[in-house]
Amino acid sequence: DSGVTQTPKHLITATGQRVTLRCSPRSGDLSVYWYQQSLDQGLQFLIHYYNGEERAKGNILERFSAQQFPDLHSELNLSSLELGDSALYFCASNPGARPYNEQFFGPGTRLTVL
Amino acid sequence: GESVGLHLPTLSVQEGDNSIINCAYSNSASDYFIWYKQESGKGPQFIIDIRSNMDKRQGQRVTVLLNKTVKHLSLQIAATQPGDSAVYFCAETPLPNAGGTSYGKLTFGQGTILTVHP
Repeated sequence: DSGVTQTPKHLITATGQRVTLRCSPRSGDLSVYWYQQSLDQGLQFLIHYYNGEERAKGNILERFSAQQFPDLHSELNLSSLELGDSALYFCASNPGARPYNEQFFGPGTRLTVL
Repeated sequence: GESVGLHLPTLSVQEGDNSIINCAYSNSASDYFIWYKQESGKGPQFIIDIRSNMDKRQGQRVTVLLNKTVKHLSLQIAATQPGDSAVYFCAETPLPNAGGTSYGKLTFGQGTILTVHP
C-alpha cells in the first residue's frame, strides 16, 4: 500500500458526460501527479501540482482539468467524454523535493466510457 | 474501428536466474533515468534511478546500467523470484528548465512483461 488513495475505483459513464476523479496524497506529500494509462498510448504524464500550484503539464487535453486543494487532495475533471478517454487514471505523490523521481502511485481509477 | 494496442516485449525466466530488461531511449537531454515496476492491478512502483552523468548504480538485487553512447538503459535483477513478475517500465525526466517546472515530469517507455516461473 503506497499510502495514496484514489476514488472511485471504477467509473462507467457515457460519451459527452463529465466525471471527477479524486486523489488523496500520502500524509505530508506536497506534490501530486496525474497519469493516464491506456492500451494504445501506454502510461502518459498529464499534470503536476505542488502545494496547490500547477508546476508542469503534459499532453493533457483541454477537456481535462485538475486542481489541488488547500488540504492537498487533488481532483481531475474530465468533460465531454469520448470513447478514447477510457483508461486507467493514476495519481501519484511525493514530498516535492528534487529530483522527484520516486513517485508513490495510487491504485488507480478505471474509467470506462460507453 | 479496431484499436491498436501496445505489443509489449516479454521476458520469461526461471526462478533463481538473473534477468536483464532493456530499454532504448531517444532523448539525449534527460536528467535522470528511472525504472518502475507495475504488478497486475496496481499502480507503478519505483525501483531505482540513475543520473545521466553515471553509468552504473546498484540497489538491493538490482543494477541499472546506462550507456549514453548507444542510448541504452538496462535493469538487471539478480536471483529473480516469482514476486518479481510484473511489467517493468523505464522512464526519464528532462533536464531542469529555468523555471524549475520540468521536475517530476516522467516520460515512460512502453514496458516489458517479466514472467518468472517457479
